[in-house]
Amino acid sequence: GAGVSQSPSNKVTEKGKDVELRCDPISGHTALYWYRQSLGQGLEFLIYFQGNSAPDKSGLPSDRFSAERTGGSVSTLTIQRTQQEDSAVYLCASSPQQSTDTQYFGPGTRLTVL
Amino acid sequence: DAKTTQPTSMDCAEGRAANLPCNHSTISGNEYVYWYRQIHSQGPQYIIHGLKNNETNEMASLIITEDRKSSTLILPHATLRDTAVYYCIVRVPFTGNTGKLIFGQGTTLQVKP
Repeated sequence: GAGVSQSPSNKVTEKGKDVELRCDPISGHTALYWYRQSLGQGLEFLIYFQGNSAPDKSGLPSDRFSAERTGGSVSTLTIQRTQQEDSAVYLCASSPQQSTDTQYFGPGTRLTVL
Repeated sequence: DAKTTQPTSMDCAEGRAANLPCNHSTISGNEYVYWYRQIHSQGPQYIIHGLKNNETNEMASLIITEDRKSSTLILPHATLRDTAVYYCIVRVPFTGNTGKLIFGQGTTLQVKP
């Protein structure tokens, strides 16, 4: 079946611009997560959705970062006024329900801020 | 979540078993051990998890010591495609308001021909 998909696969933007990254989770998965991975670094948790609500936003690095999820499905991560330190691979994962913990990851969006 | 310690890198000959260790000496009684791997330029992939009994699936085996302070992931017949960063994660499976995974630096496994 179809896995987690993310778009775009690559995004190059200029410093100060806003960007939107999209995640399509596996159909029926209620939990959705965003992580990011900077060059040579480990994966860093950003935000967790259960349905359309986000009970854990503790990983968002600043108020320039926001995310929403609609219809319990697609999620969008928005970064406003991008900075060079925002350059990273942004990964989305979904799981059938919170307690199963097997998270299925998408291929990621590589964001480059010039 | 309990902290884990893994070697930075390991090599393994193709066709041989790869044994990846993980120390988690501060693990709590209700915390599970999870293993994920990340092949270059891909998202992480779930491998296996367990609480205290040894586990086996089509990908790997997980051996957890009796005191649960360490574990070993075993890839029985490593192939070149198993070259990846392997992450050992210890956490409670249901934490109420979050399901986040906390990744460390992992072990870079290089399978050589």
